Amino acid sequence: NAGVTQTPKFQVLKTGQSMTLQCAQDMNHEYMSWYRQDPGMGLRLIHYSVGAGITDQGEVPNGYNVSRSTTEDFPLRLLSAAPSQTSVYFCATRSMGDNEQFFGPGTRLTVL
Amino acid sequence: AQKVTQAQTEISVVEKEDVTLDCVYETRDTTYYLFWYKQPPSGELVFLIRRNSFDEQNEISGRYSWNFQKSTSSFNFTITASQVVDSAVYFCALSFAGYSSASKIIFGSGTRLSIRP
Repeated sequence: NAGVTQTPKFQVLKTGQSMTLQCAQDMNHEYMSWYRQDPGMGLRLIHYSVGAGITDQGEVPNGYNVSRSTTEDFPLRLLSAAPSQTSVYFCATRSMGDNEQFFGPGTRLTVL
Repeated sequence: AQKVTQAQTEISVVEKEDVTLDCVYETRDTTYYLFWYKQPPSGELVFLIRRNSFDEQNEISGRYSWNFQKSTSSFNFTITASQVVDSAVYFCALSFAGYSSASKIIFGSGTRLSIRP
């Protein structure tokens, strides 16, 4: 039972490059979310999903796309990376019957 | 407005001292959930506690205790007899009931706690 996994752990991009941050869970949780953590600002919600096929925007969605084709996976896409997207990204999941969110280990992204 | 404020940016104490981390929240919802998370230097987020808005009982878990007061919209966290391993960034967070709201957690900006030997 791996819980919530995120890949890669570290990534360096050049401005304008695209990439996908992967998030997978094996807990059959309905809810999945992406957060970014910047120094001194706590975590901010980027996008979230309440089930396969359903996604919505969070507090800071600009520059990011998501999709949820399966319960297990919730990838986050950066179409054209910008230095302002340098951050640590956390994926989280939650069961419909509970209120505890489980966080992945994070991906540290640097955009040059 | 829905907001979590952790006014203490950094706290430094000597080992074995007691320390309280403050958390003040804002919401108009009557049903909500409050959390504390710990983020050690390794970077992962460690869940510490969840409290729902209808349960104002204080909780104690070993050296940790939490004081939830709806009258002042506060959910403070106290570490008794602090240890060096308690050094971390601590986040207070707020979540809501409801189908679409349940995925969202609003985090405070965190308090960096340093315990000196």
